[in-house]
Amino acid sequence: EVQLLESGGGLAQPGGSLRLSCVASGFTFSAYTMIWVRQAPGKGLEWVSSITGDGFTGDGGRTYYADSVKGRFTISRDNSKNTLSLQMNSLRAEDTAVYYCAKDRCSTASCFNNDYWGQGTLVTVSS
Amino acid sequence: DIQMTQSPSTLSASVGDSVTITCRASQSISTWLAWYQQKPGKAPTLLIFSASGLQSGVSSRFSGSGSGTEFTLTISSLQSDDFATYYCQQYDNYPLTFGGGTKVEVK
Repeated sequence: EVQLLESGGGLAQPGGSLRLSCVASGFTFSAYTMIWVRQAPGKGLEWVSSITGDGFTGDGGRTYYADSVKGRFTISRDNSKNTLSLQMNSLRAEDTAVYYCAKDRCSTASCFNNDYWGQGTLVTVSS
Repeated sequence: DIQMTQSPSTLSASVGDSVTITCRASQSISTWLAWYQQKPGKAPTLLIFSASGLQSGVSSRFSGSGSGTEFTLTISSLQSDDFATYYCQQYDNYPLTFGGGTKVEVK
């Protein structure tokens, strides 16, 4: 059974940092592109960042970011620990959201849509 | 960036109704479109990929169509479990972008 378990959310001050983690199980984590998507309270879904897996033309670890987080957030993965991470620095009030990690539907090449999602972790940025 | 516009933002319907949600892209995205369902307090679930491909395990009452810039999600014979918010998402290009969502509520 595929499972994604996020952790690391909480309260941070503006300008502060948090590190989110997503521990995966039930599939070959290293093969899949993984993403972070966030949802501000009462709002819609916003893609945050993606990192490719080894199955993506053998060129795993390529990263992509939304302009709103570029230069502040860093996505990474530790395939030995089946863990996806999101290091969030210089946090702003507008980063307040539930953050979801999600697994790409395909392994040999990224499909860019996501069949399994974690339960989400809430990040609140406030003084 | 490719903008995704959904309509309506809210749709009132009854059990047994057939409903259609529209998603428009600001430029052609071929069929690089997915649909997700989200219930309050829960993560999204994938319904449709490649505009019309039904995700494994999803009821055949859900169907998607369209290409280029205009897409639709149709739910036939609406069931009580279908009352939720639905999002389209383009993946023609980064940044991946979602529509604003359509809430299907009880009439």
